[in-house]
Amino acid sequence: NAGVMQNPRHLVRRRGQEARLRCSPMKGHSHVYWYRQLPEEGLKFMVYLQKENIIDESGMPKERFSAEFPKEGPSILRIQQVVRGDSAAYFCASSSTGGGGETQYFGPGTRLLVL
Amino acid sequence: AQSVTQLDSQVPVFEEAPVELRCNYSSSVSVYLFWYVQYPNQGLQLLLKYLSGSTLVESINGFEAEFNKSQTSFHLRKPSVHISDTAEYFCAVSLTGNQFYFGTGTSLTVIP
Repeated sequence: NAGVMQNPRHLVRRRGQEARLRCSPMKGHSHVYWYRQLPEEGLKFMVYLQKENIIDESGMPKERFSAEFPKEGPSILRIQQVVRGDSAAYFCASSSTGGGGETQYFGPGTRLLVL
Repeated sequence: AQSVTQLDSQVPVFEEAPVELRCNYSSSVSVYLFWYVQYPNQGLQLLLKYLSGSTLVESINGFEAEFNKSQTSFHLRKPSVHISDTAEYFCAVSLTGNQFYFGTGTSLTVIP
């Protein structure tokens, strides 16, 4: 029973390049969340998706960041034209339903380093 | 607006001693409360959660937390810590929506 999977685990990009982070939710989960963890800080919500729909993107920066969760395949968090400030750990979580109090199960994260 | 405060950023404690990690939240509506643990270079793992009912909740590895509505707190405690408990601990709040609001974390270091 595989948990939430994220790849790559580590990603190095130069300024101006694109970063693509992938997340496969737990089996049977159709709700995906992305969080960002900056050094010495807690996790900050970015976006909540269900299959083919963005439900809440209130935590997503308005520019350069986008997310999708297609009908088939993993959820993708895409960062265009990365800058040094994008260096962080990006965590994906999934849940079976989206109701309040529902436990979110987290993946191991992708650690992005922008040179 | 909702917020979660973890007052102690670092807590060193000797092995087999008791520990309390503090968590306070602010919210104008009812909340659900969670504690997650993060080991180095890993994702967050659920430790325990409070949804309703008994205000004292326990985990399988000896941690417990008590929901105190009047003090808006959800402190995490363990009567006797082990070396393996060294990790980062995050308190989180969830409302009826979908976001989790996390505290900034408490780094627990157990000293042999």
